Amino acid sequence: QSALTQPASVSGSPGQSITIPCTGTSSDVGVYNYVSWYQQHPGKAPKLMIYGVSNRPSGVSNRFSGSKSGNTASLTISGLQAEDEADYFCNSYTSSSTYVFGPGTKVTVL
Amino acid sequence: EVQLVDSGGSLVQPGRSLRLSCSASGFTFGDYAMSWVRQAPGKGLEWVGLIRNKASGGTTEYASSVKGRFTISRDDSKSIAYLQMNSLKTEDTAVYYCTRGVGISAAGSLYWGQGTLVTVSS
Repeated sequence: QSALTQPASVSGSPGQSITIPCTGTSSDVGVYNYVSWYQQHPGKAPKLMIYGVSNRPSGVSNRFSGSKSGNTASLTISGLQAEDEADYFCNSYTSSSTYVFGPGTKVTVL
Repeated sequence: EVQLVDSGGSLVQPGRSLRLSCSASGFTFGDYAMSWVRQAPGKGLEWVGLIRNKASGGTTEYASSVKGRFTISRDDSKSIAYLQMNSLKTEDTAVYYCTRGVGISAAGSLYWGQGTLVTVSS
């Protein structure tokens, strides 16, 4: 069972903004700024979208942004596009010196 | 160009062992921590473990689900990371990916191998 929680699904229309929350505890998200987000299309390897809570790797669209408040980190996708339809996973460093993934959120573009 | 190539996956019986390899190129392998992540069929991502670089002691960390059964090691002279899996269980069936972080730590898996499938079944 994951120590992080995410909604199973989030949907939005093209052009809209959506936010995916990732709730952890004071042993992971709440105390470390090592939160990352991954996008995964079917049959593909995951792709890093955000690291260190709010940093975008080179080449990732600025429509993707990350933030954190307390024990909850969030991924926001602005100007939703059809290609954004995918699974999204959050990940955090923990006080046990390990990492943990959230269960994943399926984003549907209506 | 950074490349990670995962290999070694196969069909194996419960209780047996298997060793996966991750061959790296395009960067100074010894400077970086390396991680393993797995994904069971139709399921989410699960962090398996990591090995730090030698400068950080080359120490390892593991998920509780594999601790005591799996061992991560590295050969910096060959630029290869290994995942030794012992006492395999049916629930270890998954695609296994090796990853490298944005920086020298394991945080933020920027680079991923193509994955190698391990099937544990009798």
